[in-house]
Parts: sequence; C-alpha cells; structure tokens
Amino acid sequence: QKEVEQNSGPLSVPEGAIASLNCTYSDRGSQSFFWYRQYSGKSPELIMSIYSNGDKEDGRFTAQLNKASQYVSLLIRDSQPSDSATYLCAVRGSGGGADGLTFGKGTHLIIQP
Amino acid sequence: NAGVMQNPRHLVRRRGQEARLRCSPMKGHSHVYWYRQLPEEGLKFMVYLQKENIIDESGMPKERFSAEFPKEGPSILRIQQVVRGDSAAYFCASYGSGGPPEQFFGPGTRLTVL
Repeated sequence: QKEVEQNSGPLSVPEGAIASLNCTYSDRGSQSFFWYRQYSGKSPELIMSIYSNGDKEDGRFTAQLNKASQYVSLLIRDSQPSDSATYLCAVRGSGGGADGLTFGKGTHLIIQP
Repeated sequence: NAGVMQNPRHLVRRRGQEARLRCSPMKGHSHVYWYRQLPEEGLKFMVYLQKENIIDESGMPKERFSAEFPKEGPSILRIQQVVRGDSAAYFCASYGSGGPPEQFFGPGTRLTVL
C-alpha cells in the first residue's frame, strides 16, 4: 500500500516569511514527485515537479527531494496572502509507464497579512 | 490553448439514478486519469485510460463504476445506481506522452446525491 503523509496543518506563516511544507512517502521505488496547490472549491494546480535528489527552484518556490530519507519538501519564499491554500504532495510510483498519482491529504497553509 | 475540460461542473442525482461525467483531455494528450475527492479527504486515484484501453483500474470500486475513453469523443466516468456516499468532487487529469510525467487537472465535477 503506497502512502504519502503530510501534516494537515493549518500552518500559519506571516506575510513575507518562508513557508516550509513537508511530505514523506512509503514506496522507496518512487520516481516522480509533485506539489499541487488547491484553493477551496477548485481543482489542483501543478506548481512544482522534481525527479532527482537535491533542490529545484522556480521563482519563489523551491522543491527539495531526498530519496534516501523518502522525503520531499516545498519552500515558498516571500509568502503572500494569495499563497493561502491547501498544498498537496503527490508521488508517482515505481511501476513504470504513466501511473496514477498517490496524494497526501494536504497541508492547509495560511499566510497572515 | 484549451486545458482539460470537464462537464457538467455540478451534477445532482437522486439515489438510484445514473451519473455520467465527461472529460476531454488537453490537446495532444492521450492519457486520462480519474480521481475522486471526498469531503475532508485526499485525492484518490480511480482509473487510468488511454484511447480505447483501460490501463489501470485498481482504484475503481468494483461495482457500479465504469470508465471508458473511446476512439472519438471524451472520456466518460459512469456511476450506476448512485448512493449518498458517491457525493464527491471527481477530477480528470491528462498527460501527454513524450513529455515530463506531469498531470494537469480539469475543473472537476461536483456530484451531489440526494
């Protein structure tokens, strides 16, 4: 049974600070990792993907992957009130091909003005 | 550049009726995935389809649920004899072969069973 674990929050961060979101996964053979942002009542929006160990930066977002520790994180720099949302960690398994994703339940992030 | 399209956006059914949810993938995408999000729950994978083929239906309930992706037209998720527990948001995502394995989601269909 593949599992993806996230702290449900809420995680409250002051505007302008760094928000740090964490995720662990159980399938050691997983190859692809994604962060989605979901506003209430809306669909998930892909914001970051990462496939190899280390850091990947895109604007204010940095994804970090440590396959040995089975750990993925997302850093949001200069947090804005518009970043307030639920952040979903998703993992694609080791089965090869275009597998369905396994999602965590999400972390609810609140950016305080 | 149209994204993933789903319709209807909202669907109300009475217990015992059938629900049909439609999904048109992004242009050039031939892989379609269906996910369900129950209230206060995470997204759960249901089924993965390519044109005319079901590739993985391991997340699909064994009874009342079926999916297809015909050669022409949208993918259809069909729920027969709906029950109140089927009330949820159903999302479709698509992916294009040859690119990074990123799935892009449609706006979802919110099903309410009375």
